[in-house]
Amino acid sequence: AQSVAQPEDQVNVAEGNPLTVKCTYSVSGNPYLFWYVQYPNRGLQFLLKYITGDNLVKGSYGFEAEFNKSQTSFHLKKPSALVSDSALYFCAVREDGNTGKLIFGQGTTLQVKP
Amino acid sequence: EPEVTQTPSHQVTQMGQEVILRCVPISNHLYFYWYRQILGQKVEFLVSFYNNEISEKSEIFDDQFSVERPDGSNFTLKIRSTKLEDSAMYFCASSIAGVGANVLTFGAGSRLTVL
Repeated sequence: AQSVAQPEDQVNVAEGNPLTVKCTYSVSGNPYLFWYVQYPNRGLQFLLKYITGDNLVKGSYGFEAEFNKSQTSFHLKKPSALVSDSALYFCAVREDGNTGKLIFGQGTTLQVKP
Repeated sequence: EPEVTQTPSHQVTQMGQEVILRCVPISNHLYFYWYRQILGQKVEFLVSFYNNEISEKSEIFDDQFSVERPDGSNFTLKIRSTKLEDSAMYFCASSIAGVGANVLTFGAGSRLTVL
């Protein structure tokens, strides 16, 4: 069965510093990996996805994610954090051939302090 | 940019009452989903819907739940007899296709509070 783990409930970083939000996954086939962000009282917004090819994927708002097949990880990164990046971040996976269902991790709260 | 819209944004109901949550997916999308998020917990898949039938459902989606696409634009989630544990944020989503790297677009959610 598919699963996603986000080992950190919260990540704190100072504005201007690089940030990493961790995600590991488990699927039996080829994974399709996604990051979504949720701002307070808002829905989930798509940030980026991994299909195949280049292991470094670039997405919205300066975010990128690195796919590592051997470590089954898909960590979200940003070189320089902004206070406005503070939000709840969800990693999600869809297994190859699935009906379309995404399986989400438990979410990581990112706090960027000025 | 096209959006998924959900109504109501917040509904308070008494235990045992029926609730219908409504969603208008993006117009050219063919796959529709409901997810829920209990406060402080992860986003959980409930059901996916394609070609006027359920394509997959989770074990959460028991006989108390049903989905319908009553016309060409709306997609509804009905909870027949609400329980306290149904209190959650319910998200509707849609996608053009149901496989591969297709992105789900989510609505802003409907918060359901069962008293």
